[in-house]
Amino acid sequence: DTGVSQDPRHKITKRGQNVTFRCDPISEHNRLYWYRQTLGQGPEFLTYFQNEAQLEKSRLLSDRFSAERPKGSFSTLEIQRTEQGDSAMYLCASSPGLAYTFGSGTRLTVV
Amino acid sequence: AQKITQTQPGMFVQEKEAVTLDCTYDTSDQSYGLFWYKQPSSGEMIFLIYQGSYDEQNATEGRYSLNFQKARKSANLVISASQLGDSAMYFCAMREPPTKTSYDKVIFGPGTSLSVIP
Repeated sequence: DTGVSQDPRHKITKRGQNVTFRCDPISEHNRLYWYRQTLGQGPEFLTYFQNEAQLEKSRLLSDRFSAERPKGSFSTLEIQRTEQGDSAMYLCASSPGLAYTFGSGTRLTVV
Repeated sequence: AQKITQTQPGMFVQEKEAVTLDCTYDTSDQSYGLFWYKQPSSGEMIFLIYQGSYDEQNATEGRYSLNFQKARKSANLVISASQLGDSAMYFCAMREPPTKTSYDKVIFGPGTSLSVIP
């Protein structure tokens, strides 16, 4: 499978716990994006990597959120001290420059 | 301010009929790109079609066509010969060029839920 892979598909966590999601992009794509999608809404931009450099972070991304892309390959998104408002689908996308290819997302539920 | 507007929260269409999903956008840039994505209940966003702002002809991809009216800032998606598998959320999206404070990225509208009736 040469698509974008995200792991896990689903995550249920208690409020206050830390969670980490992983994204494996298409190998030849140098651009990687994280989006968040809440029920009934379109995806909202969170952060952007070009190779290993994190070039932009949305103001939506509080200090509890951190993302990395070591060596410009896979990426991780960590949420510390989760809150119920963090419940959403977290989508990863990669791109060589124009259209994005999305993964299937990680659905986070904070209880 | 909302940059992508999709005024139809939900649409129904009879199988084998054509359907148009509306999208209007707001930008002051001359160079931009417009996309449509499909999101079935499984959650994955599937790229359907792309239109560049300088493209003179409307984009087509199989049963999908994009009705691009630049002066009206509209980019409606037309699906011909609807199939049951077309039932999904559809998102209109726009890629703006980079600015001094922002890299180029794709921003999405709120989506339209399409249901195909047998």
